[in-house]
Amino acid sequence: AQKVTQAQTEISVVEKEDVTLDCVYETRDTTYYLFWYKQPPSGELVFLIRRNSFDEQNEISGRYSWNFQKSTSSFNFTITASQVVDSAVYFCALSEFNNAGNMLTFGGGTRLMVKP
Amino acid sequence: DTGVSQNPRHKITKRGQNVTFRCDPISEHNRLYWYRQTLGQGPEFLTYFQNEAQLEKSRLLSDRFSAERPKGSFSTLEIQRTEQGDSAMYLCASSLTGTLPGELFFGEGSRLTVL
Repeated sequence: AQKVTQAQTEISVVEKEDVTLDCVYETRDTTYYLFWYKQPPSGELVFLIRRNSFDEQNEISGRYSWNFQKSTSSFNFTITASQVVDSAVYFCALSEFNNAGNMLTFGGGTRLMVKP
Repeated sequence: DTGVSQNPRHKITKRGQNVTFRCDPISEHNRLYWYRQTLGQGPEFLTYFQNEAQLEKSRLLSDRFSAERPKGSFSTLEIQRTEQGDSAMYLCASSLTGTLPGELFFGEGSRLTVL
């Protein structure tokens, strides 16, 4: 069975602070995909990033960066110089490689509040 | 608006009634997904379609739930004999075969409240 754990249920920061959202996963599969989605107050989940299990190269995209560590089953997400518009619930998700991302197992989410 | 559209956005019903939700995917997307999200939790996979074929169903989808996509375009999710435990946000998403895996486009959801 697959499981995704986001231990931080809520994080509050002041604008311009850096913040890291933690994600730990469990799977018996040797190949899999990992994802981060953002859910703003409007409720519409927005895809942020995908990583496959055989690509451990970390990525930076603007103020966002992701740290994938297969050895510790973690896929953490960092926002640098946070902004009020980053306030949302962030979900980490996992899927088997064979189902090509059609069935996602989501974590419980981390609510990020960025205060001005 | 060319995004995923869900109707109704909010439905309040009494226990035991039947409800139906509709999802209109992005027009060229051939894959359509239903997820359920309860308050404070992450979404849970229910089912997905490729064109009109229902390819996967979660064990969460009990006999009281039925999803259809008769012409491979819009989809409906019907819940019969609703129970209070069915209260949740029902999310629809779509994607296109051949695009990168897991990049789903979600609608704003249909919130069900069962009294």
